[in-house]
Amino acid sequence: GENVEQHPSTLSVQEGDSAVIKCTYSDSASNYFPWYKQELGKGPQLIIDIRSNVGEKKDQRIAVTLNKTAKHFSLHITETQPEDSAVYFCAASIRGSQGNLIFGKGTKLSVKP
Amino acid sequence: EPEVTQTPSHQVTQMGQEVILRCVPISNHLYFYWYRQILGQKVEFLVSFYNNEISEKSEIFDDRFSVERPDGSNFTLKIRSTKLEDSAMYFCASSEAMGGSSPGLPNTQYFGPGTRLTVL
Repeated sequence: GENVEQHPSTLSVQEGDSAVIKCTYSDSASNYFPWYKQELGKGPQLIIDIRSNVGEKKDQRIAVTLNKTAKHFSLHITETQPEDSAVYFCAASIRGSQGNLIFGKGTKLSVKP
Repeated sequence: EPEVTQTPSHQVTQMGQEVILRCVPISNHLYFYWYRQILGQKVEFLVSFYNNEISEKSEIFDDRFSVERPDGSNFTLKIRSTKLEDSAMYFCASSEAMGGSSPGLPNTQYFGPGTRLTVL
């Protein structure tokens, strides 16, 4: 089955710097890649997603890139702010699975003011 | 903005007891899911549900687990004969439809705030 690896497990940046989180997946049939932000005590909140027919997607300070050949995708956060501090999860979904998401282990991002 | 809601926020039970976790998905959504997250670990898929039947389930979802959509709004997860290792945060999620203009592509899932289950 699908396996998603996520790095780094922790990331600390200064406010205003950029943060990059990387994920790889194993199943070439995966065609949907969402990113979720989880704040303490809350459920995962979708922040951006990308489908396999697109190589890059941007939403204000957040962007995601997908390399299908290498089977990896990345989250880029620019001009980080303290409120960006949270755990970020990448996930992948396999075609025909009714959207069953396989999650990475998460990255704890800390933005220092 | 519509959101997925879950009750209770925290459930404590004795080992061997039955628990029911409740979810109200977003109203026009058609696909429903349960995931769990053991403290400090990644989110794991349990089960997906569509058209009043289970679409897919993981190895975690053994015969002690069941799901039901008893009416037009609620979606429940029942765990019988609870075990210590069932202690986790359980998240409900829902999504609108498959693919939209791109048939066959999975949907976007929206998660509820979770129910923390503690089995003593």
